[in-house]
Amino acid sequence: QKEVEQDPGPLSVPEGAIVSLNCTYSNSAFQYFMWYRQYSRKGPELLMYTYSSGNKEDGRFTAQVDKSSKYISLFIRDSQPSDSATYLCALIQGAQKLVFGQGTRLTINP
Amino acid sequence: EAGVTQFPSHSVIEKGQTVTLRCDPISGHDNLYWYRRVMGKEIKFLLHFVKESKQDESGMPNNRFLAERTGGTYSTLKVQPAELEDSGVYFCASSQVGDQPQHFGDGTRLSIL
Repeated sequence: QKEVEQDPGPLSVPEGAIVSLNCTYSNSAFQYFMWYRQYSRKGPELLMYTYSSGNKEDGRFTAQVDKSSKYISLFIRDSQPSDSATYLCALIQGAQKLVFGQGTRLTINP
Repeated sequence: EAGVTQFPSHSVIEKGQTVTLRCDPISGHDNLYWYRRVMGKEIKFLLHFVKESKQDESGMPNNRFLAERTGGTYSTLKVQPAELEDSGVYFCASSQVGDQPQHFGDGTRLSIL
């Protein structure tokens, strides 16, 4: 079993829709939770970073962490074609190395 | 501020040859990480430097891989001799302190023929 499970998609939605991306994890020792966005032929770009259960909002993006269920989510409101990318969840435990999900490929259709 | 820079962006070599990848972290970042993504799999950790010391090299696949960070600035990752299964995208990331977010370079796409 993988430490972090993420549906690879692909996920295709119309412009303006609310997008929900999710990851589950098995190790309760994970302390920090991140979402990265990766465009084709580019490196992962940090979107959201949180360490506690609850919601964190940044513009059109909301990260949600539920440590009791070992479940993290990223919501994108008013999705735009420029949001089309692969979204990666990444978790850290004390060792500081990131453990990634497989990434979900998202396409926003105009 | 310049981001994490990796060189080359793409390398194609034959099985048995040697390849060296380079990473220049963000200036002032003591922590430097190497990751790898092979086709169809998730990005996986290889190793972590704090300044010039290897903090964690638990992800290095085998002794054909050698990472160095002399002087605590840029880092190199050498693969010698390269095997077919080494193909993938190698990412470097850096952070100022260990529990701060890691910033990634655009990766080196390595193809072994």
